[in-house]
Amino acid sequence: DGGITQSPKYLFRKEGQNVTLSCEQNLNHDAMYWYRQDPGQGLRLIYYSQIVNDFQKGDIAEGYSVSREKKESFPLTVTSAQKNPTAFYLCASKQGNYGYTFGSGTRLTVV
Amino acid sequence: GEDVEQSLFLSVREGDSSVINCTYTDSSSTYLYWYKQEPGAGLQLLTYIFSNMDMKQDQRLTVLLNKKDKHLSLRIADTQTGDSAIYFCAEIPRTDKLIFGTGTRLQVFP
Repeated sequence: DGGITQSPKYLFRKEGQNVTLSCEQNLNHDAMYWYRQDPGQGLRLIYYSQIVNDFQKGDIAEGYSVSREKKESFPLTVTSAQKNPTAFYLCASKQGNYGYTFGSGTRLTVV
Repeated sequence: GEDVEQSLFLSVREGDSSVINCTYTDSSSTYLYWYKQEPGAGLQLLTYIFSNMDMKQDQRLTVLLNKKDKHLSLRIADTQTGDSAIYFCAEIPRTDKLIFGTGTRLQVFP
């Protein structure tokens, strides 16, 4: 079955550490997105990529980095510069206008 | 500008209809969407409506679009406990980035 796989489901980060969240899709979608969700809030766009080897900053890109070396993969690195990284992170992909397909999310907690 | 607003909470009795409302500001959006998020999960696309339509029905779901007032609603008939979740409306304006509302938490009680 086609879909988006995010891993891990839960991730713990120590202060000052970089961590990388994985997002893989086998839908052959060109565009991929990373969103952050905080409790009781909507989704905020971190980074997006319309095509391989190209990506753009979203509304809250500071403290995050991405790469898009393969069409199937769009990993997100949460760097030590992100001062409040505890959140639920959602990856999505899109082809055409029929909505986005979302992964099941990664919950990141700073310990 | 791009802004999507929803009320935060809705509580309904099982078997009643639920109506979740949404207002948006960008009239350039071609499609408008409703997503459902269950606890600890990703978002599931429930339905979408093309901007030149007024209404779309899909089983228990009815979407109404009032373009003049930039108002979108989702009606769930015969609401069940399994419908308890957060519901997000979303639009894709000319920027081609999906803009989400804050989400409405629907609670269904017996």
